[in-house]
Amino acid sequence: DAGVIQSPRHEVTEMGQEVTLRCKPISGHNSLFWYRQTMMRGLELLIYFNNNVPIDDSGMPEDRFSAKMPNASFSTLKIQPSEPRDSAVYFCASSFGGDGYTFGSGTRLTVV
Amino acid sequence: AQSVAQPEDQVKVAEGNPLTVKCTYSVSGNPYLFWYVQYPNRGLQFLLKYITGDNLVKGSYGFEAEFNKSQTSFHLKKPSALVSDSALYFCAVRDRYSGAGSYQLTFGKGTKLSVIP
Repeated sequence: DAGVIQSPRHEVTEMGQEVTLRCKPISGHNSLFWYRQTMMRGLELLIYFNNNVPIDDSGMPEDRFSAKMPNASFSTLKIQPSEPRDSAVYFCASSFGGDGYTFGSGTRLTVV
Repeated sequence: AQSVAQPEDQVKVAEGNPLTVKCTYSVSGNPYLFWYVQYPNRGLQFLLKYITGDNLVKGSYGFEAEFNKSQTSFHLKKPSALVSDSALYFCAVRDRYSGAGSYQLTFGKGTKLSVIP
């Protein structure tokens, strides 16, 4: 198994632009999590899905952030419009039955 | 509610010496406990977990952790540190009997381990 696959690995965009981050979870995993990591705030849970249904999005910072999981093998996290304070590393993780997570390699987002 | 505390932001140890990275937790029921490691510019990697059974859990790269229910702790240990162990370590917890579909892990803030040659 190739693990959790995130794309792109790096994204540099201008303030105000739309950014879409992508994640392919491990086949057979039924839970998917989006995290944001910064030096100041550490690891923050943004949203998680179970069986493609959003369960808890209380960590999504603002309406500028949205996430979808149209099927079991794909999820997106969108930021529109992006702001410099959104600069961070965004991780996707998947799990089966809550028995630990497998993390992707992350997307490093820089908004200038 | 569930929470994790990693009381040390940074731990420094000399190569060859034993290391300990501390973690305490709080859950309403019985815990599932995990340790993850993050190397620079990488995602978090699973090290070990406690689900049930033996309180001493052995994991990857020679690491082990001891579950102590009375002290609500799950400290990570290694008998002899390597320079290559230098990384960021995260402890995480989940209530074993959280609701169906509620598999959210709560992570600590992380401890930076530096192994000095």
